[in-house]
Amino acid sequence: AQSVTQPDIHITVSEGASLELRCNYSYGATPYLFWYVQSPGQGLQLLLKYFSGDTLVQGIKGFEAEFKRSQSSFNLRKPSVHWSDAAEYFCAVAPPQGNTDKLIFGTGTRLQVFP
Amino acid sequence: GAVVSQHPSWVICKSGTSVKIECRSLDFQATTMFWYRQFPKQSLMLMATSNEGSKATYEQGVEKDKFLINHASLTLSTLTVTSAHPEDSSFYICSMGVQSYEQYFGPGTRLTVT
Repeated sequence: AQSVTQPDIHITVSEGASLELRCNYSYGATPYLFWYVQSPGQGLQLLLKYFSGDTLVQGIKGFEAEFKRSQSSFNLRKPSVHWSDAAEYFCAVAPPQGNTDKLIFGTGTRLQVFP
Repeated sequence: GAVVSQHPSWVICKSGTSVKIECRSLDFQATTMFWYRQFPKQSLMLMATSNEGSKATYEQGVEKDKFLINHASLTLSTLTVTSAHPEDSSFYICSMGVQSYEQYFGPGTRLTVT
């Protein structure tokens, strides 16, 4: 069955430290891959996506993610975290070239940032 | 741009009553609309998808007679939880699709059924 795993439920980092949020997927073929951020009172916002091509994807707010086919992973990174990055982060996948735009979400990782 | 609103943001209702949640795009038109349900500390689970001019397609295990979806226009979708029960208490999120895999999400509605 198609699934998305985010092993870390909660991560705490100091402001200015680097960040990596893990995401692994289980799929028959390489799916389309997404990272979203959810802040309280706001809708999910797309940080970045990978469909094909360069496996290192740049997104908004200084985030990047790297697709590793051999590890079925799509980890999100940021070199220096800001206090405003505290939020819930969701990895999502979608079947490639499917006839719908369905997204399958991971369980999320809550990021806490200490000053 | 691409703002999606949901109303109400929080609602409490008594068991057996019905609740309607509105999802509205403020500055764009959407061809496809999605409704999700999110339990605490869990991921978003897709409930149904609707395209303009056609009935909603429900995911397996979602009761279509309980969760009524109306794709009223290119900017408005509603979810009505009929005869709500405490187990329907959850966080409901809508999203609107502009083009392939480009979705914009509403801020969500927290439903508490007493």
